[in-house]
Amino acid sequence: DTAVSQTPKYLVTQMGNDKSIKCEQNLGHDTMYWYKQDSKKFLKIMFSYNNKELIINETVPNRFSPKSPDKAHLNLHINSLELGDSAVYFCASSPRGGGWGEQYFGPGTRLTVT
Amino acid sequence: AQKITQTQPGMFVQEKEAVTLDCTYDTSDQSYGLFWYKQPSSGEMIFLIYQGSYDEQNATEGRYSLNFQKARKSANLVISASQLGDSAMYFCAMREADNYGQNFVFGPGTRLSVLP
Repeated sequence: DTAVSQTPKYLVTQMGNDKSIKCEQNLGHDTMYWYKQDSKKFLKIMFSYNNKELIINETVPNRFSPKSPDKAHLNLHINSLELGDSAVYFCASSPRGGGWGEQYFGPGTRLTVT
Repeated sequence: AQKITQTQPGMFVQEKEAVTLDCTYDTSDQSYGLFWYKQPSSGEMIFLIYQGSYDEQNATEGRYSLNFQKARKSANLVISASQLGDSAMYFCAMREADNYGQNFVFGPGTRLSVLP
């Protein structure tokens, strides 16, 4: 019954590898997000999708590519991983627009690049 | 420029006391939403409380209340009767009308420690 789920929860990999993080929400929300939380706990939006359409694409290296096969899923693929990519990545979802609904977060994926 | 400012990197409060966590925001929109989230050491992000820019009453949710002062652009979180389990990072966030209302901005957070 998890509202927003992410897999994997932990990911340890070497520099240069390619990895993916999957996210699914069962709330029927139109909008999904990816956030990066750095070691200082600063939370920064990376991408936002509305009904499979990319809405927000912050200044993120193009090694990061989101993919939304349907509005319940938003996956994050990262190519050529670098040490600086080590962080916690959160997926979130929210109802669209006017209701100003809050975001529901997944449990996070802790990525460690060695 | 920072859209959300939380000036207290860390706060201490005695158990059972009330504590106020500060948040100021910057927007030129008339319509926006303000949120507070809690992140305990286990890492999950937990939604606490929401205030709409047009809401005239301050939001309350159990022991949490939001002291909304629109003219000062502040949205402080008040936690009454602190409990040890309230020890966590607290993030203030704003949702603006840009990009179909999907633009969430988070502040840098305040680490609250509740002392027994």
